Amino acid sequence: DVKVTQSSRYLVKRTGEKVFLECVQDMDHENMFWYRQDPGLGLRLIYFSYDVKMKEKGDIPEGYSVSREKKERFSLILESASTNQTSMYLCAIPREGNSDGYTFGSGTRLTVV
Amino acid sequence: AQSVTQLGSHVSVSEGALVLLRCNYSSSVPPYLFWYVQYPNQGLQLLLKYTSAATLVKGINGFEAEFKKSETSFHLTKPSAHMSDAAEYFCAVTGGYNKLIFGAGTRLAVHP
Repeated sequence: DVKVTQSSRYLVKRTGEKVFLECVQDMDHENMFWYRQDPGLGLRLIYFSYDVKMKEKGDIPEGYSVSREKKERFSLILESASTNQTSMYLCAIPREGNSDGYTFGSGTRLTVV
Repeated sequence: AQSVTQLGSHVSVSEGALVLLRCNYSSSVPPYLFWYVQYPNQGLQLLLKYTSAATLVKGINGFEAEFKKSETSFHLTKPSAHMSDAAEYFCAVTGGYNKLIFGAGTRLAVHP
């Protein structure tokens, strides 16, 4: 079974802190994605990566950055956490090419206080 | 650019009644379309997918969806709702780079 592992299930951080969310996959897939999920807004794409050191902005990249130094690991960085970044963060990789949807990580629920 | 609109953020049905969750998409290329379900406090689970084969797609738990190109729709149906169907449902369409673009979700409530 494909595994997408997010390092933390719950996080509480203070406003202004730098926050790292880690995602590791075991499929050697080129593409990796970071979404945030909020009630009434669905899942919104923050950033994605299509290869090592390659990244593209999604729909809501403001306040975030990413790092992909190794193929299996894709990190989401909140440069200076704010309360409006309190959310559920989901990492995902494609299952089979473009036709089989995603495998999702279990998510990180981040609360910024 | 691709986009998805789910009509109705909340849908409530009686147990045994028809479930109809609406999804309209916009895509400049032939799309792949998906329905995901999220049960309370659980992750997203693939319910069914359309990938340009049959236009009527059957998924898990008795759900099905019909791709209608002329209406740019991919509505989700189930003939008879069960209490265990209460969940949030998300429609999604593929974009470039294997991206998935999700709708805002529809929360389904099933009452006795």
